[in-house]
Amino acid sequence: GENVEQHPSTLSVQEGDSAVIKCTYSDSASNYFPWYKQELGKGPQLIIDIRSNVGEKKDQRIAVTLNKTAKHFSLHITETQPEDSAVYFCAAEHNTDKLIFGTGTRLQVFP
Amino acid sequence: GAGVSQSPSNKVTEKGKDVELRCDPISGHTALYWYRQSLGQGLEFLIYFQGNSAPDKSGLPSDRFSAERTGGSVSTLTIQRTQQEDSAVYLCASSYSTGDETQYFGPGTRLLVL
Repeated sequence: GENVEQHPSTLSVQEGDSAVIKCTYSDSASNYFPWYKQELGKGPQLIIDIRSNVGEKKDQRIAVTLNKTAKHFSLHITETQPEDSAVYFCAAEHNTDKLIFGTGTRLQVFP
Repeated sequence: GAGVSQSPSNKVTEKGKDVELRCDPISGHTALYWYRQSLGQGLEFLIYFQGNSAPDKSGLPSDRFSAERTGGSVSTLTIQRTQQEDSAVYLCASSYSTGDETQYFGPGTRLLVL
């Protein structure tokens, strides 16, 4: 079936450094790719998304890039802060009616 | 405005008992999703409702799991004869329409089967 692979599973960075999380997907028809942040004890929250008609999108310290030919997309967080520490999930739309999620990346930002 | 709400927030039950989990989606959202998240794992799709269409049940792990959505709004996920492996966080999400729209998640129900 369709799947989304996400790497790395854990990521530790020093405050102020950048963090990059990468995902690959298998459904070439996917056109929508959201990223979610999940803090401990809470549900996932959308932080940024990208559609296939653009290659990059930025929102302050967060950016997402998409390479449709290679079927991969990445999340970039610059100037990381301790409050960025959480689990991040990528996802890809499938059959226009559901999202397939990656397995998550636990990001730790050390002061 | 009000987000997606779920109840109960925590549920402890004994093996073999039935449980019902409730989800109140955002008003006006026609799509509703249930996911299961085991400890430290990703989100496993369970079932999807879209308007008045027949639900997509392709993710339900066994016939002990069922869900309904009454009046196009509130949804209930029922697990019959619970097993210890059913212990997980059950997340509900809703979106305005279909898969290429933002899904808004509730806080989840943490189920522990003893």
